[in-house]
Amino acid sequence: AQSVTQLDSQVPVFEEAPVELRCNYSSSVSVYLFWYVQYPNQGLQLLLKYLSGSTLVESINGFEAEFNKSQTSFHLRKPSVHISDTAEYFCAVSDLTDKLIFGTGTRLQVFP
Amino acid sequence: GAVVSQHPSRVICKSGTSVKIECRSLDFQATTMFWYRQFPKKSLMLMATSNEGSKATYEQGVEKDKFLINHASLTLSTLTVTSAHPEDSSFYICSASDRTFSGNTIYFGEGSWLTVV
Repeated sequence: AQSVTQLDSQVPVFEEAPVELRCNYSSSVSVYLFWYVQYPNQGLQLLLKYLSGSTLVESINGFEAEFNKSQTSFHLRKPSVHISDTAEYFCAVSDLTDKLIFGTGTRLQVFP
Repeated sequence: GAVVSQHPSRVICKSGTSVKIECRSLDFQATTMFWYRQFPKKSLMLMATSNEGSKATYEQGVEKDKFLINHASLTLSTLTVTSAHPEDSSFYICSASDRTFSGNTIYFGEGSWLTVV
């Protein structure tokens, strides 16, 4: 079985500051890793994913995440956040099927 | 545009009635779809795996007689909440995978807000 831990339930940060949202997972098999973003009253949008290959994956809006197998982590980072990045961020793991196990989410609050 | 569509986006029903939520894959066929539930300010909990042409597979703790899932075609899965109670009020969201030769992408629907009064 897989599990995902997002230690930070809330992360407040000022605009243009860097941010890191932490995600750790546990699994006895190879996994795919995902970050999803949920804006208020909306569904989920895929931010980025790691399937194989390069351990550093990037999104089109400046986020990046690095898969670290030894530390079983997939932390999400952005060097400079915007007000519009305020949202709930979910880390998820899949055991090579399409079934996702989600973390509890991290609320990113960007202040001006 | 959306490749997985849910309907309705919001529904209010009376306690004791049943309500059906549809999940459609718009541009691809999905032999498997997944239903999740999200409690307010909580994470998403996988409820069940919807299998086209066969019975759904429910996660532990999910009442299969209360949350009926039907996957009658390769593009449509339905979740029916039977004899709804206020505690069933939640955000329900489905996902489907678009499998191509280069891999697969999981798409989520827009979600459906259910309020039971």
